[in-house]
Amino acid sequence: GENVEQHPSTLSVQEGDSAVIKCTYSDSASNYFPWYKQELGKGPQLIIDIRSNVGEKKDQRIAVTLNKTAKHFSLHITETQPEDSAVYFCAASEYNTDKLIFGTGTRLQVFP
Amino acid sequence: EPEVTQTPSHQVTQMGQEVILRCVPISNHLYFYWYRQILGQKVEFLVSFYNNEISEKSEIFDDQFSVERPDGSNFTLKIRSTKLEDSAMYFCASSGPPGANVLTFGAGSRLTVL
Repeated sequence: GENVEQHPSTLSVQEGDSAVIKCTYSDSASNYFPWYKQELGKGPQLIIDIRSNVGEKKDQRIAVTLNKTAKHFSLHITETQPEDSAVYFCAASEYNTDKLIFGTGTRLQVFP
Repeated sequence: EPEVTQTPSHQVTQMGQEVILRCVPISNHLYFYWYRQILGQKVEFLVSFYNNEISEKSEIFDDQFSVERPDGSNFTLKIRSTKLEDSAMYFCASSGPPGANVLTFGAGSRLTVL
């Protein structure tokens, strides 16, 4: 089955710097890759996603890139702000399957 | 914005007791899910539910677990005889069109088994 690896497990940046979180997946049939942000005491919230027919997607300060050949995808946050501090999870799934396979999470801390 | 609501937010139970966790998915969604997250670990898939039946389940979802959609709005997860290792945060999620994969998660129910 699918296995998703995520790095780093923790990431500390200064406010205004960029943050990059990387994930790799094992199943070449996976074609949907969402990123979730989880704040303390809350459920995961979708922040951006990408499908395998696209190499890059951007939404304001957040962007995701996908390299299907290498089977990895990355989350890029620019101009980080303290409110970006949270745990970020990547995930992968196949089209028309029900389950998301999550990475192990990255705790991002943005210091003012 | 539509949201998935879960109750209770926190439940403490004795080992061997039955627990029911409740969820109200987004009203026009057709697919429903339960995931769990043991403290400090990744979010794990338990089960998905569509058209009043289980469509997929993980190895974690053994005979002690069951799901039900008793009416048009609620979606429940029952654990028949809880074990210590069932202590976790349980998240309900729902999604709309087939193949869309875009899941909306609830805030979770924290289960503590003593």
